[in-house]
Amino acid sequence: NAGVMQNPRHLVRRRGQEARLRCSPMKGHSHVYWYRQLPEEGLKFMVYLQKENIIDESGMPKERFSAEFPKEGPSILRIQQVVRGDSAAYFCASSPQGANSPLHFGNGTRLTVT
Amino acid sequence: GQQLNQNPQSMFIQEGEDVSMNCTSSSIFNTWLWYKQDPGEGPVLLIALYKAGELTSNGRLTAQFGITRKDSFLNISASIPSDVGIYFCAGQQPASGNTPLVFGKGTRLSVIA
Repeated sequence: NAGVMQNPRHLVRRRGQEARLRCSPMKGHSHVYWYRQLPEEGLKFMVYLQKENIIDESGMPKERFSAEFPKEGPSILRIQQVVRGDSAAYFCASSPQGANSPLHFGNGTRLTVT
Repeated sequence: GQQLNQNPQSMFIQEGEDVSMNCTSSSIFNTWLWYKQDPGEGPVLLIALYKAGELTSNGRLTAQFGITRKDSFLNISASIPSDVGIYFCAGQQPASGNTPLVFGKGTRLSVIA
């Protein structure tokens, strides 16, 4: 049973470019979460999605960041006009249910903005 | 937002020693989870706790959900080199609907052979 798959593993973008991060949840999981991790820090919640719905985006910056989880295909975290401060590891997690079910994480996408 | 305080921030121990770390909060949680993260990888779930007072083991790891629901601890017995990594606690607060997991900043464990 494949785990949570994220790609790319590493992404380098110049300031002002767009970054697209993809996440395929575990088979049978319909709940997807995105977290950001800065060096020496814990994981900060960004957004929680179910198929075609954003459930909670309270951790998403108001500008330049967006997320989707379409009916078909992976969840996408999109960062427009990247800045150096966006450099971080972005982790996706999935669960079969929402509340009280443990999250299973992918290996992350490490974004570097030059 | 809600924060979890993890202690200690880092530990250096000899192989074979036991390890203890904890996580505290000013608010109550209805779920506590412990994860381990190796360099360059995502967090891996170690133990999940769902009830106040619950004590759960996974091999050499034991974790407890505090009676007050505001804390949890993780013990590792007879540490080995592969225990090296960052250990994160995570909690979910009681609320209607789905609330996201909140993570602590981690305890960085180094094991000296």
